[in-house]
Amino acid sequence: DGGITQSPKYLFRKEGQNVTLSCEQNLNHDAMYWYRQDPGQGLRLIYYSQIVNDFQKGDIAEGYSVSREKKESFPLTVTSAQKNPTAFYLCASKGGMDTDTQYFGPGTRLTVL
Amino acid sequence: GQNIDQPTEMTATEGAIVQINCTYQTSGFNGLFWYQQHAGEAPTFLSYNVLDGLEEKGRFSSFLSRSKGYSYLLLKELQMKDSASYLCAVMDSNYQLIWGAGTKLIIKP
Repeated sequence: DGGITQSPKYLFRKEGQNVTLSCEQNLNHDAMYWYRQDPGQGLRLIYYSQIVNDFQKGDIAEGYSVSREKKESFPLTVTSAQKNPTAFYLCASKGGMDTDTQYFGPGTRLTVL
Repeated sequence: GQNIDQPTEMTATEGAIVQINCTYQTSGFNGLFWYQQHAGEAPTFLSYNVLDGLEEKGRFSSFLSRSKGYSYLLLKELQMKDSASYLCAVMDSNYQLIWGAGTKLIIKP
């Protein structure tokens, strides 16, 4: 099956710990995105990558880091510098014939205790 | 600044029709998207409008007026499974999506 996977579905961490969220896609899409979703707010862009070995900061990149070493993978690290990391994190990708539509993974709900 | 406005919550009856509005002010326009998001799940793509007019896709239709900065999503023959949040997003001049906060649609029997 083609699609986007994120793991884990739920993640709990202690304050001050770094944590890495996984995002993998087998859609052969060039572009990948990380969003954060908080109650009552629209999705906010953290980082995006349009090609392997290149990525750009989004609107709320502070306290986060990413890498894009492979086309299929775009992991997000939430560092201890992120002041309020508890949120629902969504990974998306786009490309191929349908070049403008973003497709989402199932999301990871991160809770920092 | 860039802004997407949609109602926070709407209620409708099973079998009825509901229209969810979205107004936008963005730096440039390269298309408008509607997504459906059930609670705790990821958004799923519903429709894309880049030209003025109505796009129909089964029970769902989406309308765009670029001159008015306005779109709506029309859901017909409502079913209980349509209870979800509906997200409006505009692709700006940098081809990035600007997202509204979403409209929570509650369907009552």
